[in-house]
Amino acid sequence: SQTIHQWPATLVQPVGSPLSLECTVEGTSNPNLYWYRQAAGRGLQLLFYSVGIGQISSEVPQNLSASRPQDRQFILSSKKLLLSDSGFYLCAWERDRQETQYFGPGTRLLVL
Amino acid sequence: LAKTTQPISMDSYEGQEVNITCSHNNIATNDYITWYQQFPSQGPRFIIQGYKTKVTNEVASLFIPADRKSSTLSLPRVSLSDTAVYYCLVGHLLTGGGNKLTFGTGTQLKVEL
Repeated sequence: SQTIHQWPATLVQPVGSPLSLECTVEGTSNPNLYWYRQAAGRGLQLLFYSVGIGQISSEVPQNLSASRPQDRQFILSSKKLLLSDSGFYLCAWERDRQETQYFGPGTRLLVL
Repeated sequence: LAKTTQPISMDSYEGQEVNITCSHNNIATNDYITWYQQFPSQGPRFIIQGYKTKVTNEVASLFIPADRKSSTLSLPRVSLSDTAVYYCLVGHLLTGGGNKLTFGTGTQLKVEL
């Protein structure tokens, strides 16, 4: 069976510090991978998606970037965090074009 | 992109059937309809997906009329543990692959004794 991992689960960072969130998927190959952000009481906003190694597409211009160094690894980064980067970050995977996305447990980020 | 509209909140009691209706008037021909459940501080959990007519699995049923402009998630005999936010989504295929799911604010279902 497939599993998706995210870490850390919770993170508190000062404004201006760097960020690196990691997502890995097990039990599948060549998945589509997604990063979403959820603000308190809101729906999820798609940030980045990737259909293959090194292929990153951005949906919303922002202070964040994403990378996919390996087939089942997706990383969300920032060089300098802003207060507005606080939120719940979710990674999701999907079999190619199957249209069902499966979400990880999420990372709660608080920027102070 | 197809926008979805669903009630902000619903209340129910244990053992009742709950039906949550979602409208998606500008759904495209190739779009699927997907429902997710989310508990606080957890990632959304896939419930059910369909294209037309009726789909049923071990946890829910999804009813989609012929015009596909709406869909209804049916949860039989809800329990307290079904208290969660339920999202109705319409997927949109992205250029070069992938599928964009546009999340609204969802429906907060509260189940009481």
